[in-house]
Amino acid sequence: DAKTTQPPSMDCAEGRAANLPCNHSTISGNEYVYWYRQIHSQGPQYIIHGLKNNETNEMASLIITEDRKSSTLILPHATLRDTAVYYCIVRVAPGNTPLVFGKGTRLSVIA
Amino acid sequence: EPEVTQTPSHQVTQMGQEVILRCVPISNHLYFYWYRQILGQKVEFLVSFYNNEISEKSEIFDDQFSVERPDGSNFTLKIRSTKLEDSAMYFCASSSGAGKTQYFGPGTRLLVL
Repeated sequence: DAKTTQPPSMDCAEGRAANLPCNHSTISGNEYVYWYRQIHSQGPQYIIHGLKNNETNEMASLIITEDRKSSTLILPHATLRDTAVYYCIVRVAPGNTPLVFGKGTRLSVIA
Repeated sequence: EPEVTQTPSHQVTQMGQEVILRCVPISNHLYFYWYRQILGQKVEFLVSFYNNEISEKSEIFDDQFSVERPDGSNFTLKIRSTKLEDSAMYFCASSSGAGKTQYFGPGTRLLVL
């Protein structure tokens, strides 16, 4: 079972920041937080991951709380193309462990 | 940017028939995976593959399923005798190392009639 809890759905106005929360209160010290998204029925798309420091790339920012029990994915300027299901996944690394997907958060970006 | 590719994009088959789903992982990747997603449900792990052998498999991956890396570029999933409940999207993924980011292909939509 997924070790994360996410709200089932969220709305965001186009051009505004989308802040997607994730709870992973049982995370272990060697587990990373990964974010993927799935647009319609396409393959999951990697967004970002982190261990304990905040991370930023061209797609998003990841803010992890100091106790590592929760995190927030931030899409700084959401567009209609960001409408998707967003998955927060906790994964042990190193080690060739599979990704365990939950139900994710369905983000709807509204014009 | 390198991508995982999958063929075919859609496959329709009769129950009991064999199907082979094909994947071309990213070229320098060494770890390969298959996942599936039944319509409206979660993405589920099937199997991981490294160094020409299965690393891990889920309960879903029973004797009807097999994987193979027949040459240096392809990675295949075979379902020997398809069942109605095998209808799903099948995603291939690859990563450059153990614990590294997995990158997914666009999927094959399998419909078993």
